[in-house]
Amino acid sequence: SQQGEEDPQALSIQEGENATMNCSYKTSINNLQWYRQNSGRGLVHLILIRSNEREKHSGRLRVTLDTSKKSSSLLITASRAADTASYFCATRNNQGGKLIFGQGTELSVKP
Amino acid sequence: DAGVTQSPTHLIKTRGQHVTLRCSPISGHKSVSWYQQVLGQGPQFIFQYYEKEERGRGNFPDRFSARQFPNYSSELNVNALLLGDSALYLCASSPGSEGVYGYTFGSGTRLTVV
Repeated sequence: SQQGEEDPQALSIQEGENATMNCSYKTSINNLQWYRQNSGRGLVHLILIRSNEREKHSGRLRVTLDTSKKSSSLLITASRAADTASYFCATRNNQGGKLIFGQGTELSVKP
Repeated sequence: DAGVTQSPTHLIKTRGQHVTLRCSPISGHKSVSWYQQVLGQGPQFIFQYYEKEERGRGNFPDRFSARQFPNYSSELNVNALLLGDSALYLCASSPGSEGVYGYTFGSGTRLTVV
């Protein structure tokens, strides 16, 4: 079963706008990761945030983690048409390397 | 450097048949994990292998099996295929068993069972 849920399921914005996606999970975690998937192909690792971190940046990406609320958000600033993809959060607990994925957010950025 | 390579890219099989999917991890990576992604859903964990030993198994029937070879490549086998096995099968590699820096995924094998 999925670890949690992502919200929204789909998001459509104009180029230049910011996109925010949220992820909730159910159990305690070691880290939380965000991945991008284009057209049902392989996943691309975007960013990893550890359970003792609250915020992390990578280029136009900003990730926050609130372990008390078991939630995370991914912000993509100044979006581009090339950002159009599905975005998944995935959690890893302290027992091995298994990733548990959310259902994903489908982002569409219109030129 | 080559990334994670999976073969074949597409496959069509008939119900009841057997299938073998292959994965070569990034050079130097010793861990390989397999995921199944049904259309419209997130990937579901099937197996993880590290140093040729199974390190984790997801909630999949015994029809699913895997192994890892001395060169760290891996095979996923599925017996007695069902229509519901139609999915994108993804392989992920990492240097260690814990994936502390994240995973590198291959482009996947699209399996269609008819």
